[in-house]
Amino acid sequence: DAGITQSPRHKVTETGTPVTLRCHQTENHRYMYWYRQDPGHGLRLIHYSYGVKDTDKGEVSDGYSVSRSKTEDFLLTLESATSSQTSVYFCATQRSAGYNEQFFGPGTRLTVL
Amino acid sequence: DQQVKQNSPSLSVQEGRISILNCDYTNSMFDYFLWYKKYPAEGPTFLISISSIKDKNEDGRFTVFLNKSAKHLSLHIVPSQPGDSAVYFCAASARGSQGNLIFGKGTKLSVKP
Repeated sequence: DAGITQSPRHKVTETGTPVTLRCHQTENHRYMYWYRQDPGHGLRLIHYSYGVKDTDKGEVSDGYSVSRSKTEDFLLTLESATSSQTSVYFCATQRSAGYNEQFFGPGTRLTVL
Repeated sequence: DQQVKQNSPSLSVQEGRISILNCDYTNSMFDYFLWYKKYPAEGPTFLISISSIKDKNEDGRFTVFLNKSAKHLSLHIVPSQPGDSAVYFCAASARGSQGNLIFGKGTKLSVKP
């Protein structure tokens, strides 16, 4: 367990509003990831970070942005939420790239009305 | 284009018997494979992994087999227990991908007492 917390755990918002989800880790892992999980799709990578201020896009990055100003925090922002972004969002961390596992947070359930 | 496929959405086995979960992949660049277990309303938890230089890895009741020529891996759980009832995700990563994982859609395992 990499000591990963996500906030909020649940959120209901309206279409067009900005939303920020926070991931916080206490293990000093270099890599951090944001995934979304939807029925019939498994987990899909949105964005990831390989260091402070170093981020890159994943498979489903449209409509999302991220920031990482400190090792322990990775923020995911929906600039203008849409109903298609209703999902469960998971943050994950990894000590280093290569042959080691990712650790996942408990998830945030986001509903966009 | 699904690079990691879990073709069985669900599997039901009797307690004490073997559970076999299957996963196929298409990308020849994948060199590290992982299995995650997920309970409802929780984040995925790492179960077991295997690198492409091996064909088998064992950890207690869990064994993962890799057949590179067939691009197929399987997770064996022996003996199965009711607490193993969960969704199991297969994931893969490629060298140089910054640890990015590609997940299958998951298989829901039900172990009946």
